[in-house]
Amino acid sequence: EAQVTQNPRYLITVTGKKLTVTCSQNMNHEYMSWYRQDPGLGLRQIYYSMNVEVTDKGDVPEGYKVSRKEKRNFPLILESPSPNQTSLYFCASWETGEETQYFGPGTRLLVL
Amino acid sequence: QKEVEQNSGPLSVPEGAIASLNCTYSDRGSQSFFWYRQYSGKSPELIMFIYSNGDKEDGRFTAQLNKASQYVSLLIRDSQPSDSATYLCAALTGANNLFFGTGTRLTVIP
Repeated sequence: EAQVTQNPRYLITVTGKKLTVTCSQNMNHEYMSWYRQDPGLGLRQIYYSMNVEVTDKGDVPEGYKVSRKEKRNFPLILESPSPNQTSLYFCASWETGEETQYFGPGTRLLVL
Repeated sequence: QKEVEQNSGPLSVPEGAIASLNCTYSDRGSQSFFWYRQYSGKSPELIMFIYSNGDKEDGRFTAQLNKASQYVSLLIRDSQPSDSATYLCAALTGANNLFFGTGTRLTVIP
C-alpha cells in the first residue's frame, strides 16, 4: 500500500529540548516536503527536497532543519523548539507526472 | 506575493446550492493545479486536479482553469452538509514544488 508515515503523531515537549519528527514514504518519490498548518494560514512549506541530498528552504524555515540521506526518509529536526512552533505538521511526497500527492497523517506538536 | 491565494471565507451556502471557490496563482510556469478537501485535524484529501485550460467535471465537482488569468476555481453542485470542510487550492510550480493557498472554509447549511 502506498503511504507516507509520520512519527510521532502527537508530541508534547518543552522549550529547548531537541526533537525529530520522522517521515517515510514507500513509493520511491523524488519530491518530499514538510508543511506546518496553523489556523487561518493554510499549509505553509517549511522545507522541500527534490532528491537525496538536495533540499531547499520553503516559506517558513526558521528554527527547522531537514536531511535527505535516503530517498524514502525526510526527517524534520527542531534543534531548540519554541512555543511558536506549536502546530500541526504534515509531510508529503510526490513524483513528476503523477496526478496526486501523498500526505502523512500529521504530527500535532505542543511546545510548552 | 504568495504563490497561491484564496479567499479565506467562511463561505456558507444552503443545501442543494452551488458553492464556488476561487484561487489565483503567481508562477506562470505552474502546470498542474489541485483542489483538496480537509477536515479539521486530518490530512488533505485530493478532490480534483486540472492542467488544461477549461473545465473538468467529476460528479458534482467542476474545476476550471484559466492560465491567461492565472485563475483556478472549483464548483460544487448540489452541495451537501457532508461537503462542509476547508478547501485548499494547490499549484505545482515550474520547479515541481507544491504550494498551497490558505484554504476556504465552506459550510453547507441543511
